[in-house]
Amino acid sequence: KQEVTQIPAALSVPEGENLVLNCSFTDSAIYNLQWFRQDPGKGLTSLLLIQSSQREQTSGRLNASLDKSSGRSTLYIAASQPGDSATYLCAVLRDSNYQLIWGAGTKLIIKP
Amino acid sequence: NAGVTQTPKFQVLKTGQSMTLQCAQDMNHEYMSWYRQDPGMGLRLIHYSVGAGITDQGEVPNGYNVSRSTTEDFPLRLLSAAPSQTSVYFCASSATGTGGEAFFGQGTRLTVV
Repeated sequence: KQEVTQIPAALSVPEGENLVLNCSFTDSAIYNLQWFRQDPGKGLTSLLLIQSSQREQTSGRLNASLDKSSGRSTLYIAASQPGDSATYLCAVLRDSNYQLIWGAGTKLIIKP
Repeated sequence: NAGVTQTPKFQVLKTGQSMTLQCAQDMNHEYMSWYRQDPGMGLRLIHYSVGAGITDQGEVPNGYNVSRSTTEDFPLRLLSAAPSQTSVYFCASSATGTGGEAFFGQGTRLTVV
């Protein structure tokens, strides 16, 4: 059974720092992995999608990597800003059907 | 572009009442799904559909019904609301043509009293 874990559960850093959020999964047979952002009381915004054949994707200050063999993905945020404060969720899409398996998220606080 | 639209955004129900959460997408995606999000539990799949006329159960289907008569619409019905169904509900759509990227609606916050 696929399980997705995100560490740490919460992270608080000063503005301007570079930071890394971690996502690990137990079954390497994935179709893709997505990183989402969720603001309090809001919906889910897709940040980056990495296909199983890809190693990384970049969007602005965000870079996500994928290592299927070790069952890990990282989300790198460069030069963090208070507006980056949110909960970040990773989800893997299984090969066998279109069910997303979710991590519990990392709550990120960027202090001004 | 509308993307995935959910209605209503908020709803309060009394125990035993029924209601339908609406979900519509305008991206011609074949896959649609419903998730619920609860504190400390993450998101869990309720039901999903791989195309019009085809639906299947997810991880937590009890107490919910779905149908997919068109590609665009995927309503979720609560048959007899219970306090345990108090949650935030998200509808999502995706397609193989876009690499399986999932797009989500803004959510429906449901409280059952």
